[in-house]
Amino acid sequence: EIVMTQSPATLSVSPGERATLSCRASQSVSNNLAWYQQKPGQAPRLLIYGASTRATGIPSRFSGSGSGTEFTLTISSLQSEDFAIYYCQQYNYYYTFGQGTKLEIK
Amino acid sequence: QVQLVESGGGLVEPGGSLRLSCVASGFTFSDNYMSWIRQISGKGLEWVSYISSSGHSIYYADSVKGRFTISRDTAKNTLYLQMNNLRAEDTAVYFCARGGERQLEYFDYWGQGTLVTVSS
Repeated sequence: EIVMTQSPATLSVSPGERATLSCRASQSVSNNLAWYQQKPGQAPRLLIYGASTRATGIPSRFSGSGSGTEFTLTISSLQSEDFAIYYCQQYNYYYTFGQGTKLEIK
Repeated sequence: QVQLVESGGGLVEPGGSLRLSCVASGFTFSDNYMSWIRQISGKGLEWVSYISSSGHSIYYADSVKGRFTISRDTAKNTLYLQMNNLRAEDTAVYFCARGGERQLEYFDYWGQGTLVTVSS
């Protein structure tokens, strides 16, 4: 099983600032990496796939980078609606998710 | 627009059974792989099972293998998850999610989830 490890577990950032979330895979997943956003009581929403491609309707302030085992999700200027939990997921060998990063208001 | 609507969750005793359904609309259901993913309250996400667009390729997580059965009915645009011999650790919100037209792609649409509680 490929283990996905996200850091930090909680990230406190002020609105308007940049947030950088990390995801590490226990073995290479190439660029088969997606990022999801989840708010309380809601289903996850796809943000990024292929490590760096924004899904339909996702604002340009969200960007993804990385390949192999190290990945990053960057939110360039945080809006109030961006405070949520973010999960990375590999789909190179079956599917596994990271444990999530909670992005909270500082 | 793409919609996935789950139903069938509820309270069941350990060892019991439950069948979840997920009705799909807004896309050609027979084109896409479909998956079930679960989330234990306040915790992370665990992929449970997927079924290919044709229904001929099926995989399960080790934690549910031999107890859960995924299936799909193209005529009804519906995905199912038959859950038998349920355990307390199966308690979770179960989401259905749309995969791609090929094996092993990301999930671009999710249902709102249905809660399964296994308790005596």
